[in-house]
Amino acid sequence: NAGVTQTPKFQVLKTGQSMTLQCAQDMNHEYMSWYRQDPGMGLRLIHYSVGAGITDQGEVPNGYNVSRSTTEDFPLRLLSAAPSQTSVYFCASSYAQRGGELFFGEGSRLTVL
Amino acid sequence: AQTVTQSQPEMSVQEAETVTLSCTYDTSESDYYLFWYKQPPSRQMILVIRQEAYKQQNATENRFSVNFQKAAKSFSLKISDSQLGDAAMYFCAYRRGGNINQFYFGTGTSLTVIP
Repeated sequence: NAGVTQTPKFQVLKTGQSMTLQCAQDMNHEYMSWYRQDPGMGLRLIHYSVGAGITDQGEVPNGYNVSRSTTEDFPLRLLSAAPSQTSVYFCASSYAQRGGELFFGEGSRLTVL
Repeated sequence: AQTVTQSQPEMSVQEAETVTLSCTYDTSESDYYLFWYKQPPSRQMILVIRQEAYKQQNATENRFSVNFQKAAKSFSLKISDSQLGDAAMYFCAYRRGGNINQFYFGTGTSLTVIP
């Protein structure tokens, strides 16, 4: 039972570098999302998708890009990393049905120097 | 937008005792869902319990139960017979009703269990 798989689990970048956090789910969930977790701030929504080809911005979208070409995959791209993007990132998915809970990946710790 | 407030950044409990974590939320909707997630040091987010707003009965999962007060917009988590493995960050979350996949999280409560 893979669930939601995120890679890499750890990454160190230099300012200005780009990278992609990968996320895949095998539960046929329509909804996928990316959150960042910072101390004292809970989880904040970056981008989300309600199905293949459909994405939208969340609370903190600046500096991030997403695409959803398949139901399974929802990568998060950092276009030009900044120290303010140092955080723990979570991919999460759920069914679109009423009240479905979020299933989370194991998180990715990103450090931008 | 809905807001979720966890006013206790840190809590501690003696092993085998009971502890209650607080959560309040602000909404004008009548249809919604509430969740508690646990995040141990492993970082994995684990669903602890969920509550449908239309149900008056409080949800229970083994040693975990909630006190859902809809009028007061309060959703507290009670952990009975606390165990060392309960030590974690706990997040309260609100999901809008229907098929709307919008979740709002509180800032979390860090629970320490004292042996």
